Amino acid sequence: QKEVEQNSGPLSVPEGAIASLNCTYSDRGSQSFFWYRQYSGKSPELIMSIYSNGDKEDGRFTAQLNKASQYVSLLIRDSQPSDSATYLCAVIPWYSSASKIIFGSGTRLSIRP
Amino acid sequence: NAGVTQTPKFQVLKTGQSMTLQCAQDMNHNSMYWYRQDPGMGLRLIYYSASEGTTDKGEVPNGYNVSRLNKREFSLRLESAAPSQTSVYFCASSGVSNTEAFFGQGTRLTVV
Repeated sequence: QKEVEQNSGPLSVPEGAIASLNCTYSDRGSQSFFWYRQYSGKSPELIMSIYSNGDKEDGRFTAQLNKASQYVSLLIRDSQPSDSATYLCAVIPWYSSASKIIFGSGTRLSIRP
Repeated sequence: NAGVTQTPKFQVLKTGQSMTLQCAQDMNHNSMYWYRQDPGMGLRLIYYSASEGTTDKGEVPNGYNVSRLNKREFSLRLESAAPSQTSVYFCASSGVSNTEAFFGQGTRLTVV
């Protein structure tokens, strides 16, 4: 079982709709969770970090964390063509005393006009 | 504001050649990382360093060595390159424990 799992997609969402991206992780004690966006040929850039159960909102983006279900999601409201990218979920397992960050394989998101 | 700087940006090697990928950060971060990214595989951790003088293996360390030269610099060495090491390599750094990582612009390596 991979430590961080994501559906590879592609996920196609109409412009203006809500895009929902999901991620599960295997280490129950994980404490730190991140969402990165990566455009083709570019390096990953941080969108959101979340550390506590519940929702965290930043503009059009909302991260949701459910530690009991070992599940973290990212919602993108009012999706724009510029949101078309690969979204990477990342986790720091509890056993890592050295901030070892593990990534999922990413979900490719396509926003259609 | 340079952030994380990797050199070179592109490299072509012949099988069996060696090379070192360089990475430097100017954010005074303690932790540094090397990842490789292959199509459909996401980012896989090769090695990481929690602080100057320490290094640890990640998910795919075979065929690589690293050096944490000082707090700013973390290099990745391929002693005998193989076609399976054709990939995009990213260096990253993070500051306070358990916080997010910031990435360099990547090195596209082709081994023929």
